[in-house]
Amino acid sequence: QKEVEQDPGPLSVPEGAIVSLNCTYSNSAFQYFMWYRQYSRKGPELLMYTYSSGNKEDGRFTAQVDKSSKYISLFIRDSQPSDSATYLCAMSVPGGNNRLAFGKGNQVVVIP
Amino acid sequence: DGGITQSPKYLFRKEGQNVTLSCEQNLNHDAMYWYRQDPGQGLRLIYYSQIVNDFQKGDIAEGYSVSREKKESFPLTVTSAQKNPTAFYLCASIPTGTGNTEAFFGQGTRLTVV
Repeated sequence: QKEVEQDPGPLSVPEGAIVSLNCTYSNSAFQYFMWYRQYSRKGPELLMYTYSSGNKEDGRFTAQVDKSSKYISLFIRDSQPSDSATYLCAMSVPGGNNRLAFGKGNQVVVIP
Repeated sequence: DGGITQSPKYLFRKEGQNVTLSCEQNLNHDAMYWYRQDPGQGLRLIYYSQIVNDFQKGDIAEGYSVSREKKESFPLTVTSAQKNPTAFYLCASIPTGTGNTEAFFGQGTRLTVV
């Protein structure tokens, strides 16, 4: 079983819809959880960063962490064509060697 | 502006040739990383370095080599031993000693074997 599972299937939504992305993981030691956005042919950029369980909101973006289920989610409200990108989840163990475990990424297309 | 600079953006390699990808950062981060990204496979760790003059193999180090002579620089050499080098290569850095594991990425180098 991979440490981090993320269904890479492309997701197409109409503009204004809610986008829901998720990852599951197997290592219960993970404490830091991140979502990165990557535009085509560019490097990933950090979108959301959460520590331990709970919700975090930043504008149209909400990140959720459920440690009991080993499940994290990213929600994008009122999606825009500019949100079209690949979204990668990542997580790490505190006090470790700072190695991040990444999901495979979800390609999202928001159709105008 | 602080950040990570990768060069070149595009690189072409002939069979049997070594090539070196550059990664420079001015963020004063101790830890630096090289990842390889292939379609549908996510990011795979090649090498990482927590401190100058020290580095460790990641999950797919075979056919690659690195050096860390300066804090700011972490070049990656793709050797002729790497049989399938065509991929998108990403360099990243993380501040250490803060508990923060947010990784900052460069814009990547796309390597193609011709």
